[in-house]
Formats: sequence, C-alpha cells, structure tokens
Amino acid sequence: GAVVSQHPSRVICKSGTSVKIECRSLDFQATTMFWYRQFPKKSLMLMATSNEGSKATYEQGVEKDKFLINHASLTLSTLTVTSAHPEDSSFYICSAAGGGTEAFFGQGTRLTVV
Amino acid sequence: AQSVTQPDIHITVSEGASLELRCNYSYGATPYLFWYVQSPGQGLQLLLKYFSGDTLVQGIKGFEAEFKRSQSSFNLRKPSVHWSDAAEYFCAVGNTGGGNKLTFGTGTQLKVEL
Repeated sequence: GAVVSQHPSRVICKSGTSVKIECRSLDFQATTMFWYRQFPKKSLMLMATSNEGSKATYEQGVEKDKFLINHASLTLSTLTVTSAHPEDSSFYICSAAGGGTEAFFGQGTRLTVV
Repeated sequence: AQSVTQPDIHITVSEGASLELRCNYSYGATPYLFWYVQSPGQGLQLLLKYFSGDTLVQGIKGFEAEFKRSQSSFNLRKPSVHWSDAAEYFCAVGNTGGGNKLTFGTGTQLKVEL
C-alpha cells in the first residue's frame, strides 16, 4: 500500500510555543489530507480536511487560528499548533488520499505541552 | 450525518478462542467500511475494508468481517485469537465521495489471556 510518513513521532514543547507536524505522502500524490486528533483512551476525531492549494476545511469546534494547516504541495501537509497549552497535548494523526477509495494513515505524533 | 457505534469498550478472550467485535453504523447510502487496529502509542493499521461486492471481507492477520445491510453492521471476526492481537480496534465509516473522510467508532480494547 501507499506510504504516509508523519514527523516527528514525538515532540515536547513549552507552553506558549508553536510546534509543526509534517505529513508526507512518499509514493503518491495526495490531493486531500486529513488531520485527526486522538485523546487518551478515546477515538479519533477529524479536525480538518485540506486540499492541495486551497484553504483547509475545519470541523465544528476546531479553532482554525490555533491549528494552522497548510497543504502547499501534493506530497506535504503541515499542522502547526500555535501557542500550545497543556490541553493541546494529544496524539495527532494524518491521513492522505490520492483520489482513490482509501486514505492512508501516518504513524501519528505524540504532542506533550509542558 | 454518518456515525459508528462500537458497543463493547473492553473485551477479554483467551488465546485460541474465537473473537467477534461488534460495529454498527449509520449512513444514508451504501457505506465504505473499515476496521483498523492500533497498538499503544502507534498509528493505525488497516485490517480490512468493504466498498462493494462480496459482503464477507477477508483481511490481514486472519481477520474477516461481514457487512449486513439489514442490521447496519460490520462485525469483525477471527476464529482463533493470538496473544499478539491484543490492541485497540476501531471501526470506521467513510463518505461515499471516496471513502477518504472517516468517522470512527469509540474503539474496543481487546485483551488476550494466555
């Protein structure tokens, strides 16, 4: 299957700083990428959908100014958590779709804000 | 709006015993259905998927699932569980626009007793 690489796998940052998470499709062009958030012992919640070259579409309740999503190329989308606070600590997972019937998931990023 | 229900939060089975994880979905059209497995701190691995055709779907690691439209169900089964199957299992439904945007169930934590 197609490979999606997410980086970093773990990151610790200080409260008030920003952190960027990258999601790359390694062997296909991802016209659409999705960002999910998973709280401890909880399911995955879709945060936003990004299409290459256009603004991301955020799900209800997700602060677009806090979670900045950029999808500047067909192989890369980034999620920037701005002015991070401890409540932003979570597991973030991206998925990428190339127009087919399935999206492929990255390995996830564990964000800890201290 | 699409939704997924996994009624069992935790399930414990003995190694070698059979397994069935339940999943019920709500969707207005023919759904795209998925089962994923997640080990602690890891990303998602796709076990199997259903888009159309044969309602009994074979997946990796000896798993299978059966789509029953009349019951709005997509239960996951395995005839003989191995200790390495202990993990979190998520059922998901995808939009018929391509199946890429997923709504996840709350997950079932599987424990395997030796």
